[in-house]
Amino acid sequence: DQQVKQNSPSLSVQEGRISILNCDYTNSMFDYFLWYKKYPAEGPTFLISISSIKDKNEDGRFTVFLNKSAKHLSLHIVPSQPGDSAVYFCAASERAGNQFYFGTGTSLTVIP
Amino acid sequence: EPEVTQTPSHQVTQMGQEVILRCVPISNHLYFYWYRQILGQKVEFLVSFYNNEISEKSEIFDDQFSVERPDGSNFTLKIRSTKLEDSAMYFCASSEWAGGFQPQHFGDGTRLSIL
Repeated sequence: DQQVKQNSPSLSVQEGRISILNCDYTNSMFDYFLWYKKYPAEGPTFLISISSIKDKNEDGRFTVFLNKSAKHLSLHIVPSQPGDSAVYFCAASERAGNQFYFGTGTSLTVIP
Repeated sequence: EPEVTQTPSHQVTQMGQEVILRCVPISNHLYFYWYRQILGQKVEFLVSFYNNEISEKSEIFDDQFSVERPDGSNFTLKIRSTKLEDSAMYFCASSEWAGGFQPQHFGDGTRLSIL
């Protein structure tokens, strides 16, 4: 079951630069997408979301882009900070209150 | 900020024993969930719970598993006759509404180790 894929297991970025994390999905019924951030020994922390009626959502340094035709979403972090170093998961669901399907995560390291 | 709390943080159990994982969801949330993450693998959905009944469950959530909301604050996952392959991090989550796009808020998890 690989409905949500994050093909880059890791990413390193210099502090101050842009981090771009990518996620692809296969299920055309998904209509709600989220990014979670996870530190070791903690649960996933909600970061930002987007519904399928939008193609962009911005919250401070974080912007999520959705390309429904390509079944692709991305998370942009700019400027990147060392505290952003964590594992980032994208997740998707078909409808409200439904299960989330998670990607395998991308470990981001922001180098000071 | 309100948060989902899970206890214990680490549970060690002999194979074949029953284990109960406990969660206190955020107080005004209506939907509750259990997920698990086997070491090195992705987070997988187990079950969602709304209005005192299971609303959806995955193939993983077989007869070995059960969930309960025994009172107004706790939400539990029971695993009967545990197996080695049940070793994983178990995350509880909750969300606010029954409809509309709402993020699920996760606890810090219980690490279950089956010996």
